[in-house]
Amino acid sequence: QVTLRESGPALVKPTQTLTLTCTFSGFSLSTSGMCVSWVRQPPGKALEWLALIDWDDDKYYSTSLKTRLTISKDTSKNQVVLTMTNMDPVDTATYYCARIGSSSWYVFDYWGQGTLVTVSS
Amino acid sequence: AIQLTQSPSSLSASVGDRVTITCRASQGISSALAWYQQKPGKAPKLLIYDASSLESGVPSRFSGSGSGTDFTLTISSLQPEDFATYYCQQFNSYPALTFGGGTKVEIK
Repeated sequence: QVTLRESGPALVKPTQTLTLTCTFSGFSLSTSGMCVSWVRQPPGKALEWLALIDWDDDKYYSTSLKTRLTISKDTSKNQVVLTMTNMDPVDTATYYCARIGSSSWYVFDYWGQGTLVTVSS
Repeated sequence: AIQLTQSPSSLSASVGDRVTITCRASQGISSALAWYQQKPGKAPKLLIYDASSLESGVPSRFSGSGSGTDFTLTISSLQPEDFATYYCQQFNSYPALTFGGGTKVEIK
């Protein structure tokens, strides 16, 4: 049974760095084709893809946020970490981690429940 | 970057209605499109992948069609549990993945 769970601070101040951890089970990120991604959703708005790391440790980022994002994995701990620097109130959103389970279709077949991050002084 | 435009942004429908949501890509994406359902306070749920393939466990009243730039999600007979927001997502330009703006299906 595949599960993912996000953890991290609920509140960060402007200019601070956000660190979020996705802890997953039921699959291995060392299996060919597996990827874990981060997606966010500001309150009342649409989904936005942020970053992705694959089984081969290749990392990809949203063009608009590339300079602020870093994604990494710890396969032994079944964790993926996302850091976002220079946080701003517009970054207030629910942050989801999600799995891509196939290299044939890059779609998100399992999601965490999301964690709401508020950026405010 | 490939943009996805969904229409309408919201609609009102009754239980039993046939509902169609469209997603238009800014350039051709073959059949590299997925549809998700999201209920308030919940994570999105995958419904359709590869434009028309039904994800396991998803009711058959959901169907997807299209290729190139124009896609549709159809709910053949709307059920009470289907009131939600629906998103399309393209993966043709992997790893640059994008979502549409969403379509909210409300009760008439």
